[in-house]
Amino acid sequence: SYELTQPPSVSVSPGQTASITCSGDKLGDKYACWYQQKPGQSPVLVIYQDNKRPSGIPERFSGSNSGNTATLTISGTQAMDEADYYCQAWDSSIVVFGGGTKLTVL
Amino acid sequence: QVQLQESGPGLVKPSETLSLTCTVSGGSISSYYWSWIRQPPGKGLEWIGYIFYSGSTNYNPSLKSRVTISVDTSKNQFSLKLSSVTAADTAVYYCARAWAGTGYYYIDVWGNGTTVTVSS
Repeated sequence: SYELTQPPSVSVSPGQTASITCSGDKLGDKYACWYQQKPGQSPVLVIYQDNKRPSGIPERFSGSNSGNTATLTISGTQAMDEADYYCQAWDSSIVVFGGGTKLTVL
Repeated sequence: QVQLQESGPGLVKPSETLSLTCTVSGGSISSYYWSWIRQPPGKGLEWIGYIFYSGSTNYNPSLKSRVTISVDTSKNQFSLKLSSVTAADTAVYYCARAWAGTGYYYIDVWGNGTTVTVSS
């Protein structure tokens, strides 16, 4: 079965750039998307189809996907961006989530 | 603006069947992929399955033998049944709306989630 691997945690200072990776076999040949989840809340889509931002998502969120790795980049990270982030892809009509990355802003 | 609301028992006994319904308001259930995702306490997201409004389904291979997802377009609802539950099925269950096409699938609307505990 297809697997997506994320680092369990990433730390970043306020105002700096955070990068969260998601690795999978030939992931670049598929589309990746990213969700943000804050404690006690439902996930929110922040990036879809590798690099598209839904309406209402700040421009500081961006995405890329090439080779075996998709990356979520948050530029000028703010305290409100502290959350869990999940990547997700679709492989042979099966939906796969990464294990999630806890982003700490300190 | 489309909203989703999960409903169903919050407590299910081991070996019984978990049944949840998701009501879609503010939009039609026609088109889109309607999905169920769960999240065990303190853990990550796990996709359970989806149904296209026409009735075609696809399930997580690890749960496929126990899962049934159905849709009632007349009520703008879709439902989840998970049989032979154990404590490992204790989780927050989310219903969601997804877009899908050639090579892509993403969820743009999530329900608030409902907690289901499996215990005698």
